Amino acid sequence: QVQLQQSGAELVKPGSSVKISCKASGYTFTSYDMHWIKQQPGNGLEWIGWIYPGNGNTKYNQKFNGKATLTADKSSSTAYMQLSSLTSEDSAVYFCARESITPYFDYWGQGVMVTVSS
Amino acid sequence: DIQMTQSPASLSASLEEIVTITCQASQDIGNWLAWYQQKPGKSPQLLIHSATSLADGIPSRFSGSRSGTQYSLKISRLQVEDTGIYYCLQRYSNPPTFGGGTKLELK
Repeated sequence: QVQLQQSGAELVKPGSSVKISCKASGYTFTSYDMHWIKQQPGNGLEWIGWIYPGNGNTKYNQKFNGKATLTADKSSSTAYMQLSSLTSEDSAVYFCARESITPYFDYWGQGVMVTVSS
Repeated sequence: DIQMTQSPASLSASLEEIVTITCQASQDIGNWLAWYQQKPGKSPQLLIHSATSLADGIPSRFSGSRSGTQYSLKISRLQVEDTGIYYCLQRYSNPPTFGGGTKLELK
């Protein structure tokens, strides 16, 4: 069965960077786009960008250009998102989600809470 | 960016009641719309895709419809397990955008 297992919660200092992971299993990792979505406490959902692990192509929401960097490791079927120059506005839960052929997000990771605090 | 205006923001309904949630797109998005349910502390679950198609494993009491640029999610007979926050998502153009969410509670 398809599973997306994300890394654990992070407590990071303002101005630093963090890299979170999303390990895929149960399907061919290189054949499906992987998306990343942000959810701030009590707020809705915001799309960050996607990566196609097959060739590393990426597309970002303009709002997250320079903030988020998406990569993928085919050998371990793991997608990564690095967030840089962190501020309190980056405190949120971050989800990875697979894009199905429909093309909606059919499987989601459990989410990673990132807390930016000194 | 396409704006998705979702209403109501919150809703309280009784068991077995019919519930309808709507999303208004700021421009034509065709049938490129999905509905998700999110429970506290969990990731969103796909309910409906392509405006009207039921996702795998979703009960038939959930249905989606479209009238122009207005999209609706209907729960025909509300059950206890249907509480949560519902979101619409447009995939007509980048960036994909979500509605603001509707919090559904039991009365």
